[in-house]
Amino acid sequence: LAKTTQPISMDSYEGQEVNITCSHNNIATNDYITWYQQFPSQGPRFIIQGYKTKVTNEVASLFIPADRKSSTLSLPRVSLSDTAVYYCLVVNTGGFKTIFGAGTRLFVKA
Amino acid sequence: GAGVSQSPSNKVTEKGKDVELRCDPISGHTALYWYRQSLGQGLEFLIYFQGNSAPDKSGLPSDRFSAERTGGSVSTLTIQRTQQEDSAVYLCASSSVWDRGGSGAEDTQYFGPGTRLTVL
Repeated sequence: LAKTTQPISMDSYEGQEVNITCSHNNIATNDYITWYQQFPSQGPRFIIQGYKTKVTNEVASLFIPADRKSSTLSLPRVSLSDTAVYYCLVVNTGGFKTIFGAGTRLFVKA
Repeated sequence: GAGVSQSPSNKVTEKGKDVELRCDPISGHTALYWYRQSLGQGLEFLIYFQGNSAPDKSGLPSDRFSAERTGGSVSTLTIQRTQQEDSAVYLCASSSVWDRGGSGAEDTQYFGPGTRLTVL
């Protein structure tokens, strides 16, 4: 399994763009990068997934450089409701098992 | 459609008692995960079921913990002789693993609401 490393916590203000970077130096050729969001007292929920370059959906953008050893989740114009824990995962294509790390705790202030 | 459901939502038990936690995955999902999350902490992997393969039990913290998945659907996590350190939220997730045919695989996990276990 490719290990991921991401900051433990980040603070931001409403209206700002937030970028959370995740390192995954041992990512394998066929692995995908996936991000989840977890609000307090809820289970995590999928927000975005990508393989390379850039992926964008209604929630976030995911930037993946050519070497794929890192990825950056970008949240545009955050609001207080974006306060959550964000997890970066690398999908294991061998056994299809994915493991969550500690995540990044984002706190958005007014 | 129906998501992942877990029962009970809350469970309070006395130290030394056995508990059973139930997970109903999304219909058709072949993979099922159990995680544990203590207050303010990240998710701790416990066990993984995939189709008819032998489960990956590498995350179970002790032999007091066991899980089964009957008929490839409903799963039960059993904790015997509960201890206070077992108090946590137990989360279940299911996924429909599919292969993109040589360019990788996708495994988006859908989580249930969790069972909050409190051991007194």
